[in-house]
Amino acid sequence: KAGVTQTPRYLIKTRGQQVTLSCSPISGHRSVSWYQQTPGQGLQFLFEYFSETQRNKGNFPGRFSGRQFSNSRSEMNVSTLELGDSALYLCASSFKRGRETQYFGPGTRLLVL
Amino acid sequence: AQSVTQLGSHVSVSEGALVLLRCNYSSSVPPYLFWYVQYPNQGLQLLLKYTSAATLVKGINGFEAEFKKSETSFHLTKPSAHMSDAAEYFCAVSEEAAGNKLTFGGGTRVLVKP
Repeated sequence: KAGVTQTPRYLIKTRGQQVTLSCSPISGHRSVSWYQQTPGQGLQFLFEYFSETQRNKGNFPGRFSGRQFSNSRSEMNVSTLELGDSALYLCASSFKRGRETQYFGPGTRLLVL
Repeated sequence: AQSVTQLGSHVSVSEGALVLLRCNYSSSVPPYLFWYVQYPNQGLQLLLKYTSAATLVKGINGFEAEFKKSETSFHLTKPSAHMSDAAEYFCAVSEEAAGNKLTFGGGTRVLVKP
């Protein structure tokens, strides 16, 4: 079974632009979560989607948003990029909700100049 | 809010020596606990998971962890380090009310010396 895939793997943007990252979960998995990883703040939870609905949200500004499609694929969007948004964005999927084991993708590395 | 503390951001061990990575959590209810490993330029890979079924949990690659409620700890060990164990290790906790949200510790980078 194929693992979690994320596209693109690397991205360079400039301040003020917006970016969309994509995540395809493991086949059959319906929950997708997003995390931001930075050297300073570590791994932080962004949000979780299940059955096309956002179920949980971390402490990030409204510039960070996401959605999930009927095939469970998910996208996250960051508008008006700031230098501090440079990070590795990780997507994780699981079969259902409720403290399930989450399987992580390789991440998208975003650099904001 | 729950939190996870990993003591030591960097650990250096000799090949063949014991690996011990410390993790303490704060949670008012019994949590689920996880250890993940991250190799350079990769995502996180699950090593093991505690779900209250047994206090000693065995994972992949020879790792195991012991849940100690009285100490609110979930330390990760491996009897004999291998060069391939060089990576960053993360302890994480999830609570029932938080769905699939994981709260991570700061991570411990392991260096294995030949």
